[in-house]
Amino acid sequence: QTVVTQEPSVTVSPGGTVTLTCASSTGAVTSGNYPNWFQQRPGQAPKALIYSTSKTHSWTPARFSGSLLGGKAALTLSGVQPEDEAAYYCLLFYSGAQRVFGGGTRLTVL
Amino acid sequence: EVQLVESGGGLVRPGGSLRLSCAASGFTASSNFMNWVRQAPGKGLEWVSVISNDANGGNTYYADSVRGRFTISRDNSKNTLYLQMNSLRAEDTAVYYCVRDENWGYDYWGQGTLVTVSS
Repeated sequence: QTVVTQEPSVTVSPGGTVTLTCASSTGAVTSGNYPNWFQQRPGQAPKALIYSTSKTHSWTPARFSGSLLGGKAALTLSGVQPEDEAAYYCLLFYSGAQRVFGGGTRLTVL
Repeated sequence: EVQLVESGGGLVRPGGSLRLSCAASGFTASSNFMNWVRQAPGKGLEWVSVISNDANGGNTYYADSVRGRFTISRDNSKNTLYLQMNSLRAEDTAVYYCVRDENWGYDYWGQGTLVTVSS
């Protein structure tokens, strides 16, 4: 069974920069896993931020960016705002049409 | 404007069945891969199932946790996605989201519908 691992929690200061990562138990994450990133605030449905590693949706704030870093997918927030405090989830695509979410990272802005 | 509206959630006893619906608007659902994703109370997201678009044969795929119990389907005339859930277990208790897949990106999510499996 494939497991996708994220940092459980991360704290960042307002205005700072933070990178969240997403690792696969099958090995290095590649562009072929089409990494997606989502933000979820309490009581709300998830909101799409990044797809296909680094592509942004029309509504994605410019301070969010995606990349591959050291065999993992990465989400970088630059110039963190208080409203960025939320849970962040990655999603990876695998062969056989399987998709697996990471366990999520709770980002605290403090 | 793309919208996904789920319905059909509720309280069901273990072993029971429930059918969820997801009404799509603003786009033609048969042109996209469409997914169900769930989230148990206080837990993370779990991918449940996907149905491919008509161009790819409308093939269906499931997570191991639901294979053989859940069935995803689509009614193109109603532009609606379904999830038939049978042999429900307590661990199926979750908010179920309908999600559009556009070019390997899960872009639009519904607001979710809560399924509670309890005696």
